[in-house]
Amino acid sequence: AQTVTQSQPEMSVQEAETVTLSCTYDTSESDYYLFWYKQPPSRQMILVIRQEAYKQQNATENRFSVNFQKAAKSFSLKISDSQLGDAAMYFCAYRSGAGGTSYGKLTFGQGTILTVHP
Amino acid sequence: EAQVTQNPRYLITVTGKKLTVTCSQNMNHEYMSWYRQDPGLGLRQIYYSMNVEVTDKGDVPEGYKVSRKEKRNFPLILESPSPNQTSLYFCASSFSPGNTIYFGEGSWLTVV
Repeated sequence: AQTVTQSQPEMSVQEAETVTLSCTYDTSESDYYLFWYKQPPSRQMILVIRQEAYKQQNATENRFSVNFQKAAKSFSLKISDSQLGDAAMYFCAYRSGAGGTSYGKLTFGQGTILTVHP
Repeated sequence: EAQVTQNPRYLITVTGKKLTVTCSQNMNHEYMSWYRQDPGLGLRQIYYSMNVEVTDKGDVPEGYKVSRKEKRNFPLILESPSPNQTSLYFCASSFSPGNTIYFGEGSWLTVV
């Protein structure tokens, strides 16, 4: 079974600075997807960024980018020019790209609470 | 507007009193699933459904039931709730298992 680990329960950053959230995963599959979700105090689940395992290029979405190291099974999220609205819980998640019973299931990490200081 | 709607959003109930959390999506999605979120554990899948009348267990199915009689609806049933089912519940759907997943707004359930 796949596992996702976020080793940083809490992180903090100054407004306008850069912060990196860590995520590692364990899988024997070669075809999969990785995600970062943001959960603000409203508890809504917001997709931040997505990475296909077969793509070597790291995904970027405006101020958000990832460092995808497939061999190391590492998938970190970098937030540049941090804003107060970035404060939230961030979840790393894995989804199998193959068929079978695990297809479609998201496996989540434990989450990292990000605080942004003005 | 594409959305996944859950009800109720907040509920306090007593041990043993059956309850149902409804989930409805308006996107004609085939794949639907339920997750629960607990501190320090992230979100864990309870049940999922590939299509009408096709459901299967996720990682933490004990104490829950589901049904999929219509494509748009996927209710979560707690036949005899217990305090360890106090949690935040999310319904999610996607067109197929490999497509973008849409989450509902969550349902806070407290069992006393």
